[in-house]
Amino acid sequence: SYDLTQPPSVSVSPGQTASITCSGDKLGDKYASWYQQKPGQSPMLVIYQDSKRPSGIPERFSGSNSGNTATLTISGTQAMDEADYYCQAWDSSTVVFGGGTKLTVL
Amino acid sequence: QVQLQESGPGLVKPSETLSLTCTVSGGSISSYYWSWIRQPPGKGLEWIGYISYSGSTNYNPSLKSRVTLSVDTSKNQFSLKLSSVTAADTAMYYCARFTVTNSLVTWFDPWGQGPLVTVSS
Repeated sequence: SYDLTQPPSVSVSPGQTASITCSGDKLGDKYASWYQQKPGQSPMLVIYQDSKRPSGIPERFSGSNSGNTATLTISGTQAMDEADYYCQAWDSSTVVFGGGTKLTVL
Repeated sequence: QVQLQESGPGLVKPSETLSLTCTVSGGSISSYYWSWIRQPPGKGLEWIGYISYSGSTNYNPSLKSRVTLSVDTSKNQFSLKLSSVTAADTAMYYCARFTVTNSLVTWFDPWGQGPLVTVSS
């Protein structure tokens, strides 16, 4: 089965840039999506097709995908961005999620 | 704007069948795929499966033997049945619209709020 690996936690200071990685075998040959989940809420799509933002998602959210790693980047991180983030990809007709990364803004 | 709402029992006994329904409002269930994802308390997301508006399905291999998805286009609803449940099936169960393009770009949006389903006697 295909695995996506994320760091359990990432910390960032307000106003700085946060980078959350998602690693998988030849992930760059697939497309990655990213979801934000705040406590007590359902996940919300923030990036799809590696780097596209759905309507309503702030420009500070961006994504890239190359080689074995997809990266979600949050520029000018705000306190409201503190949440769990999950990557997701498609492999052999199966949906795969990463284990999630807790982003702490401190 | 499409919205999804799950409904069903919040408590299921071990060995019984968990049944949930997702109602789609603000848009038609036709021409899309629809999916279930679950999240055990304090843990990550696990894809359960998806169904098309025409009834074709694809399941997570790890759950395939216990999962059945169905769709009722007349009611704009789709449903999940998970049989022979154990405490390990205790989780938030989310329904979501699933998009898969010809280029195999995939994403889930929007999501329902998800009920917590507890498996306990």
